[in-house]
Parts: sequence; C-alpha cells; structure tokens
Amino acid sequence: DAGVIQSPRHEVTEMGQEVTLRCKPISGHNSLFWYRQTMMRGLELLIYFNNNVPIDDSGMPEDRFSAKMPNASFSTLKIQPSEPRDSAVYFCASSRDRAADTQYFGPGTRLTVL
Amino acid sequence: SQQGEEDPQALSIQEGENATMNCSYKTSINNLQWYRQNSGRGLVHLILIRSNEREKHSGRLRVTLDTSKKSSSLLITASRAADTASYFCATTDTGGFKTIFGAGTRLFVKA
Repeated sequence: DAGVIQSPRHEVTEMGQEVTLRCKPISGHNSLFWYRQTMMRGLELLIYFNNNVPIDDSGMPEDRFSAKMPNASFSTLKIQPSEPRDSAVYFCASSRDRAADTQYFGPGTRLTVL
Repeated sequence: SQQGEEDPQALSIQEGENATMNCSYKTSINNLQWYRQNSGRGLVHLILIRSNEREKHSGRLRVTLDTSKKSSSLLITASRAADTASYFCATTDTGGFKTIFGAGTRLFVKA
C-alpha cells in the first residue's frame, strides 16, 4: 500500500492568498484526520471525518479554514485568506475505522505564509 | 487543555542505555497509543494499549498503563542512535471518537 499521500509537500504563499492542501487516505480506511503542528502549539486535531462525514470540527481555528471529503479517497483542507500565523506543518492521517484505531500519517505539507 | 502530557520534555542518553518516557492524562480513556516522529516526518505508530491492559511489549519497547493514576510509561531498552526522535502519547476517549496527542518527549541518543 502507498500509505497516506499528501500534496503539495511544501507550499509558500503570500498573505491573503487561498491555499488548498490535498490528502489521499489509505484505501479501505474509513476515518480521516487533519492535524496542524507548530512548535508553540504542538500537534492539534483540526477535523475528523468518518465515512466522509465530518464528526468533529471543533479544532478548526476559524471560518478561514474549511475541509471537505467528497469521497472515500480524497480530502482537501482550504485556508482562505491565509495569514502568516497559519504557517505550520499540516498532516493528514487515516485509520481503519474509528479515531481509537491506529492512525497512519502522511508526510505532511509544510506551509509558509509570507 | 491537552489530554496527554509527556514527561520529560527532553531526554539525552548514551547508546545502550534505557530511555523511559511518561504520559499523564486527565479523563477516562478507551486506549492509549505511542507514536514516534523523526525530524521532518509524519508520526509513526509504535504501540497501542487498551484501558483494560496493564503492560504490553513490542521488540525493545515496553508500555505500561496505570488507569488508577491516569498515567503510562514507554520504556525503550538498549537504545540506539536511530531511536533519536520525538515520542508522543495519544489518548482516545471512551467513546472512541476523539484522540488527543500530548506535546511529546524529544529523545536524543548519543552514539
């Protein structure tokens, strides 16, 4: 299996621009997670999907952030408009069934907002 | 506040020594997992221990769980330079819906 695939691996953009991060979970996994990691705040859960339905989006920082999962093999995390404080590494992870199961992480997208 | 809190924040040891990291949490859990993160990489799952288990082994790893004290420890025996990484504990609530990661312990193993 290819594992969780994320794109792009690096993104540099200017403040105010729209940013779209993409994730392909492991085939057959029913849960998908988006995390953000910074030195200051550590690893934060942004949103959790189960069977393509958002279950917990309490970690989404504000309305500038949105996430979709149109089908079982694809998800996007969008930031519009982006701000310098959004600079972080964004990870996507998937698990076989629930949040309680082992989560498999992608390599992450390093986002820099200038 | 975070569910899992690791201790110590950083640990530096010599190759061959054992490394012990601790994790404390606040509420009842379904399970507790330990993950490793090498610099610049995604997290990799190491071991999962359920709330009704007290100890689990995997190779050079030993994990204990004390639900009465709401704490867990990860022991890496005979450490190697390749064990240098950050180690995170993650707790999942009793409903199995929410997993929260701690701040991590940075382990440095000197060759």
